[in-house]
Amino acid sequence: DQQVKQNSPSLSVQEGRISILNCDYTNSMFDYFLWYKKYPAEGPTFLISISSIKDKNEDGRFTVFLNKSAKHLSLHIVPSQPGDSAVYFCAASVGGGGSNYKLTFGKGTLLTVNP
Amino acid sequence: DAGITQSPRHKVTETGTPVTLRCHQTENHRYMYWYRQDPGHGLRLIHYSYGVKDTDKGEVSDGYSVSRSKTEDFLLTLESATSSQTSVYFCAISGANTGELFFGEGSRLTVL
Repeated sequence: DQQVKQNSPSLSVQEGRISILNCDYTNSMFDYFLWYKKYPAEGPTFLISISSIKDKNEDGRFTVFLNKSAKHLSLHIVPSQPGDSAVYFCAASVGGGGSNYKLTFGKGTLLTVNP
Repeated sequence: DAGITQSPRHKVTETGTPVTLRCHQTENHRYMYWYRQDPGHGLRLIHYSYGVKDTDKGEVSDGYSVSRSKTEDFLLTLESATSSQTSVYFCAISGANTGELFFGEGSRLTVL
């Protein structure tokens, strides 16, 4: 049973436009959510996170929105750039003790930003 | 960048042979993780460690064992490799109290 779902395997947008990547989760115990970006032949890199006590977190061009009642989060990238082309993973965890953040990942969405 | 080194980066082996992947960190972090990435499955947790000699299973631990005899090293062993274990394996460490994991560059394993 998949607890973190990214239902869009791929997304294509034009440079300068907004990219919106979506993620749904089923485990109501999740209280911390993250987005990772992955380029081919590299390890995933952390992008942005949000705690369940918030509904929005912004970092430069990246904003994550959390709708707890819908068990849904989204990542907005504005404006999109060709260098943003990568696989984006949504991840979630149940409040780890200390610094134990055992993450559950979605299957990923391949974002392609066209020049 | 977090100091995480995985070795080997690429390995081809035959079914039934033992394989050990090594993860080495220079950050002195307590928690270390092994994930595998497969098309259509994303990243799945195999095993993790919360200290020297302290390990626990993740969601896809069958066929894998781990060991951690030193803080800096976390080994993943496939006792008898199968073709279903062909995958890219990622080691990760926890950022201290930041809630995020830092990943190594991955080890691509092909089991023929």
